[in-house]
Amino acid sequence: GAGVSQSPSNKVTEKGKDVELRCDPISGHTALYWYRQSLGQGLEFLIYFQGNSAPDKSGLPSDRFSAERTGGSVSTLTIQRTQQEDSAVYLCASSPSSYAPYEQYFGPGTRLTVT
Amino acid sequence: AQKITQTQPGMFVQEKEAVTLDCTYDTSDQSYGLFWYKQPSSGEMIFLIYQGSYDEQNATEGRYSLNFQKARKSANLVISASQLGDSAMYFCAMREGAGANSKLTFGKGITLSVRP
Repeated sequence: GAGVSQSPSNKVTEKGKDVELRCDPISGHTALYWYRQSLGQGLEFLIYFQGNSAPDKSGLPSDRFSAERTGGSVSTLTIQRTQQEDSAVYLCASSPSSYAPYEQYFGPGTRLTVT
Repeated sequence: AQKITQTQPGMFVQEKEAVTLDCTYDTSDQSYGLFWYKQPSSGEMIFLIYQGSYDEQNATEGRYSLNFQKARKSANLVISASQLGDSAMYFCAMREGAGANSKLTFGKGITLSVRP
């Protein structure tokens, strides 16, 4: 079946502009996660959605970052007034909630470059 | 303290030999899960293996096995019969708590290079 998809695959933007990154999770997966990976580093958790529950926003680095998930499916991560330190690969993952070990399936990522 | 520690900066292994990638973790939860992911140069994150904190036996998945030593809080990945395609970054990650879904905390990763 189809995996997690993300768009765009690459985004170059000027400092100060807003960007929107999109994630389409695997159909039927109730949990959706956003992570950020800076060059040569591990993944940093940003935000997590589980069904209709309030999202866990504890990883968002500043109030310039926000995310929403519409209809329990597609999610959009928005970064306002982008800064150069926002340059990274943004990875989305989804996981089922009905069977262990609930591993997370990752999308290919969006590489964001802020100039 | 870091929750996931991967201190090996880079590992080299000869094709067809076995290699162990180290991972130590820190948590006060009794229920947690440990994951290993592979990230080739293409950038995708590929799930390899999972170990639950209450699992009594070490997890195995094909050529991958997890050497789980709970008292030492280590969860090392063992790759047997290395192949050239195993060259990649390997990340250890932990999910804390008994909930089915929660965030993963990742280590900084280890680069593995397989020599022909």
